[in-house]
Amino acid sequence: DAGVIQSPRHEVTEMGQEVTLRCKPISGHDYLFWYRQTMMRGLELLIYFNNNVPIDDSGMPEDRFSAKMPNASFSTLKIQPSEPRDSAVYFCASSEQGYLETQYFGPGTRLLVL
Amino acid sequence: KQEVTQIPAALSVPEGENLVLNCSFTDSAIYNLQWFRQDPGKGLTSLLLIQSSQREQTSGRLNASLDKSSGRSTLYIAASQPGDSATYLCAVLVQGGKLIFGQGTELSVKP
Repeated sequence: DAGVIQSPRHEVTEMGQEVTLRCKPISGHDYLFWYRQTMMRGLELLIYFNNNVPIDDSGMPEDRFSAKMPNASFSTLKIQPSEPRDSAVYFCASSEQGYLETQYFGPGTRLLVL
Repeated sequence: KQEVTQIPAALSVPEGENLVLNCSFTDSAIYNLQWFRQDPGKGLTSLLLIQSSQREQTSGRLNASLDKSSGRSTLYIAASQPGDSATYLCAVLVQGGKLIFGQGTELSVKP
């Protein structure tokens, strides 16, 4: 398996623009997680899905952030409108069968909002 | 609120040395504790996962211990190599499926 795939790997945008990050989890994994990593706050869980259903979105910082998982092989994280403080590395991870299992991380999307 | 702390923040050692990275957490109500490795510009790679009922896990030159009652874990790396240079992150899994991460220890192994 190719592992968790994220796109784009790098994104530079201007404040106020819409940003869409994409993730393809490992085939057969039932759980999908979105994280954000910054120097100030480290790694934080934003939201996670089980069988395409959002389970906990309490980490989503504001209404500007939204995430969807239309099917088992694809998820998006959207920021609209984007702000400079959203600049971070966004990771997607997936795990098999349960959140007690090891999570496998994608390479991340490095987002810079100017 | 669960907080995870890693000490030291950075560590530099000569090749071949054995070393210990420390992780502490404030709430013992965890499902498991995991150690990850992160290389610059890359994602995280899971190294070891210790279930709350376990005391330690070993993989090759790595050994991780867990003392849930005292809120501590250590990652022991034997015979360090330059290829071990990376940031090591500790994370605890809490109720609700959330992984709470420490800030990491940046390790540099000098040839």
